[in-house]
Amino acid sequence: DTEVTQTPKHLVMGMTNKKSLKCEQHMGHRAMYWYKQKAKKPPELMFVYSYEKLSINESVPSRFSPECPNSSLLNLHLHALQPEDSALYLCASSQDGGIHTGELFFGEGSRLTVL
Amino acid sequence: GQNIDQPTEMTATEGAIVQINCTYQTSGFNGLFWYQQHAGEAPTFLSYNVLDGLEEKGRFSSFLSRSKGYSYLLLKELQMKDSASYLCAVRDRAAGNKLTFGGGTRVLVKP
Repeated sequence: DTEVTQTPKHLVMGMTNKKSLKCEQHMGHRAMYWYKQKAKKPPELMFVYSYEKLSINESVPSRFSPECPNSSLLNLHLHALQPEDSALYLCASSQDGGIHTGELFFGEGSRLTVL
Repeated sequence: GQNIDQPTEMTATEGAIVQINCTYQTSGFNGLFWYQQHAGEAPTFLSYNVLDGLEEKGRFSSFLSRSKGYSYLLLKELQMKDSASYLCAVRDRAAGNKLTFGGGTRVLVKP
């Protein structure tokens, strides 16, 4: 069982909706990540939080808004998405606060469909 | 930037051995990871190499040659459950230690 928990597992939303994806880990990891993965493609990095501060934003459109309320939680707020944003959104964490030091532990992902 | 290449698909027979190659180009190599991803599931960590040589973990082994920008993942005694995508990922110091994934290799194990 993964120790990174993501909710919801599936989400269908319209282009005018506002929704949020949630991620939680209780391993004491200090870096957390959002990745986007399209079918049969590798994960693509979106955001990195290190010690609860946004460290990397990979030029992600502003309709995606990350939030790190505390060291265990990571949210991704979604607003005015496009159909091409439909994908599997993966949350991951790593032990040290240094970005990508050590292995990444992935959650099972939230599969998003934008109609 | 980085260029990470691995074959798109491989097919092998149950009980056999398969070797998945990964070549990369980076400015500041700082480690290479292999992940396994079953369809519709999260990637799971398999191995990590930062120094040259072979790392063995049960049926799985990973090799690295930094001078050649080359790694392989060796899967022995293949089982049906090994059918999955295998992702090579490289950490580049010159890119802020970001982890970049290759396109993945889909391995199909046949009876």
